[in-house]
Amino acid sequence: GAGVSQSPSNKVTEKGKDVELRCDPISGHTALYWYRQSLGQGLEFLIYFQGNSAPDKSGLPSDRFSAERTGGSVSTLTIQRTQQEDSAVYLCASSPTGGGYGYTFGSGTRLTVV
Amino acid sequence: AQRVTQPEKLLSVFKGAPVELKCNYSYSGSPELFWYVQYSRQRLQLLLRHISRESIKGFTADLNKGETSFHLKKPFAQEEDSAMYYCALSGQGFSFIFGKGTRLLVKP
Repeated sequence: GAGVSQSPSNKVTEKGKDVELRCDPISGHTALYWYRQSLGQGLEFLIYFQGNSAPDKSGLPSDRFSAERTGGSVSTLTIQRTQQEDSAVYLCASSPTGGGYGYTFGSGTRLTVV
Repeated sequence: AQRVTQPEKLLSVFKGAPVELKCNYSYSGSPELFWYVQYSRQRLQLLLRHISRESIKGFTADLNKGETSFHLKKPFAQEEDSAMYYCALSGQGFSFIFGKGTRLLVKP
């Protein structure tokens, strides 16, 4: 596609439920990143996929968070047993080869846990 | 460890005043530094990168390796510059990392 697409744009869920957030990167971009954006915390790195390499999961805050990327394209971020502190905007970005060039963000998914 | 520090959470200036948003980094290799901007209700977008040595919307940023800084500057701030600004670092062996951001408010 023309840009990085994320869905849903907004998600309200009850505490304890599982949620799935989707990211469709720019076609041909091998690198895909997930970030969490919340007030006072700025952009928090979550996970990084690069081609067929094992993902860098060093930013995932707990084992309730997981992500996968199927076929080197679409990625899904899953949060299990959501907590109120998970409320944030979840941003996805992709780039052609990793690193900073051509790095493009999606518009994000605003997650609210009630 | 690699780190990007933006010491100011909020910077408030009057229209026409000079503005400098600070960014310091920690990285032992050859860094690539970027500034990203997020205007209200818009997605995060690239403002400028050090390697291009360009001026975008009147903003410039110079990489100072001695001081490990990449401060963003504009001589005369405009109200439309009000936004969230993020400094970012890219390098060998790690993913793209961002500072916590500085909110710039330009008052009329």
